[in-house]
Amino acid sequence: KAGVTQTPRYLIKTRGQQVTLSCSPISGHRSVSWYQQTPGQGLQFLFEYFSETQRNKGNFPGRFSGRQFSNSRSEMNVSTLELGDSALYLCASSLDGRGMGTDTQYFGPGTRLTVL
Amino acid sequence: AQKITQTQPGMFVQEKEAVTLDCTYDTSDQSYGLFWYKQPSSGEMIFLIYQGSYDEQNATEGRYSLNFQKARKSANLVISASQLGDSAMYFCAMREGDGYSGGGADGLTFGKGTHLIIQP
Repeated sequence: KAGVTQTPRYLIKTRGQQVTLSCSPISGHRSVSWYQQTPGQGLQFLFEYFSETQRNKGNFPGRFSGRQFSNSRSEMNVSTLELGDSALYLCASSLDGRGMGTDTQYFGPGTRLTVL
Repeated sequence: AQKITQTQPGMFVQEKEAVTLDCTYDTSDQSYGLFWYKQPSSGEMIFLIYQGSYDEQNATEGRYSLNFQKARKSANLVISASQLGDSAMYFCAMREGDGYSGGGADGLTFGKGTHLIIQP
């Protein structure tokens, strides 16, 4: 079974631009979560989508948004990019019918975003 | 207070030795899951092992075992017979909630990680 895929793998943008990252979950997985990883803040939860609805959200500004399609693929968008948005963005999928704390998340390879 | 604490920023271990990576957690939920992930320099997070809060037995997956001490809120990862390929960052993570409260379980909360280096 194919793992979680993320595109693109690398991205360079300038301040003020917007960016869209894509994530395809493991086949059969219905929940997709997004995380930001930076050297200073570590790994932080952005949001989770299930059945095309945002189910949980971390503590990030409204510039960070996402959506999920009917085939469970997900996109996240960051508008008005800032230098501090430079990070590794990781997508994770899980089987999940209920968002149980016991549901294991499997991660993709990440998208490394650099904002100049 | 930090929800996940990993007190070892870095560790050097000789090949073939056993390794214990420390993790303590803080939660008031009764239902939660504890996870360990490995992140090589390539960046991908690799799932290693899971322990549920209601599991009475310690989890094991091949060379990985999780030493779960619920009363002490401790979930240490043990790697037996370490290999050079085990060199990586290791993250302990927790997911709280049982999915019945309407909002679903929270996202994973990660510790700051331990950088493990296996020496030949």
